[in-house]
Amino acid sequence: QKEVEQNSGPLSVPEGAIASLNCTYSDRGSQSFFWYRQYSGKSPELIMFIYSNGDKEDGRFTAQLNKASQYVSLLIRDSQPSDSATYLCAVNQASGGGADGLTFGKGTHLIIQP
Amino acid sequence: DVKVTQSSRYLVKRTGEKVFLECVQDMDHENMFWYRQDPGLGLRLIYFSYDVKMKEKGDIPEGYSVSREKKERFSLILESASTNQTSMYLCASSLPLSGANVLTFGAGSRLTVL
Repeated sequence: QKEVEQNSGPLSVPEGAIASLNCTYSDRGSQSFFWYRQYSGKSPELIMFIYSNGDKEDGRFTAQLNKASQYVSLLIRDSQPSDSATYLCAVNQASGGGADGLTFGKGTHLIIQP
Repeated sequence: DVKVTQSSRYLVKRTGEKVFLECVQDMDHENMFWYRQDPGLGLRLIYFSYDVKMKEKGDIPEGYSVSREKKERFSLILESASTNQTSMYLCASSLPLSGANVLTFGAGSRLTVL
């Protein structure tokens, strides 16, 4: 069974600071890695995905991937109260990508304190 | 924007009833998925489909079946609902994007089985 592990939190970060969210995965064959945000009572929405080692930036968000350590992270710069949500890490279900869906971690609850 | 529409936002059913959860996507995506989300357990894949009339079991298919008669519609069926199927059900569809299988979720259907 493929596993994706996240610290459940809550992770409390002051407004304007950098929030750092971490995720590890068990399947070395996984090739695509995703971060979703989920507000309370809402469905998950994609923030960004990454499939190459290193960093990928999109606005205030940076995803970092280290396949050797089987580790993915999400950095949120200049954190805003509206960033308070649960962040879900996900990896592709099957090695090499494909249509088999994603395996999700249980999520990290992030709280941005004004 | 891709739209994934789930027909019922909230349902209350009795033990033993047959339950249909409907999902429609409007972007001609080939891949569709059903997940359930429970506190402390996260998102778990029930079934997925990569083509009309095709279906594949996910991680927790027991007690569920699916139907995909048209490309845009993917139905989840609970043949005989039980209380342990009380959950939030999320439908998603996907299209490969830059080699990654990006899922877009519907708003969810919260099912309570009494």
